[in-house]
Amino acid sequence: EPEVTQTPSHQVTQMGQEVILRCVPISNHLYFYWYRQILGQKVEFLVSFYNNEISEKSEIFDDQFSVERPDGSNFTLKIRSTKLEDSAMYFCASSKAPTGAYNEQFFGPGTRLTVL
Amino acid sequence: LAKTTQPISMDSYEGQEVNITCSHNNIATNDYITWYQQFPSQGPRFIIQGYKTKVTNEVASLFIPADRKSSTLSLPRVSLSDTAVYYCLVGLNNAGNMLTFGGGTRLMVKP
Repeated sequence: EPEVTQTPSHQVTQMGQEVILRCVPISNHLYFYWYRQILGQKVEFLVSFYNNEISEKSEIFDDQFSVERPDGSNFTLKIRSTKLEDSAMYFCASSKAPTGAYNEQFFGPGTRLTVL
Repeated sequence: LAKTTQPISMDSYEGQEVNITCSHNNIATNDYITWYQQFPSQGPRFIIQGYKTKVTNEVASLFIPADRKSSTLSLPRVSLSDTAVYYCLVGLNNAGNMLTFGGGTRLMVKP
């Protein structure tokens, strides 16, 4: 069964450093998302991406964040200058275009980001 | 977005049926009701979705009354591996829509 993959599984960085989280969505999916979950809290939407541009973003997704689909398979989230409060589990998800059935989002296993 | 309310936690025993109810009093006409499951340190996973009445798949059933102001996820004969957080989400069924997760219901299945 196809699945979303994410690398690395755990990233430790110093405050102020840039990090890039990588995701490989399911190959025939067209919509891509990033969510985050701070330990013990809710899953929060960050951004959705379609046709090589951002379609929706939350208040969390400020100028420190950016997304990119550098090639036909990868989808990345960059945090330019990490802060302590960016420490969280970051989930990538993807979904197909709707064909009448529910547009289920498939989540990856997550990258745990720890900012020291 | 319709606000959802569900119990913070529930306990059950192996082999029992578990019913988790979600309230969504201000659900809109075009909203669908969707349930996701999340195991510790994993991403959420889609379980089931419905618009009205009853939907059943190989994992669960979803009961939605006529007024659609609530829904009940039913897990038949749970096992230890069903211990997870279950989220009720209400919203449009459009491609690219963000998912808005609440606090979910933490289900603990005991032997």
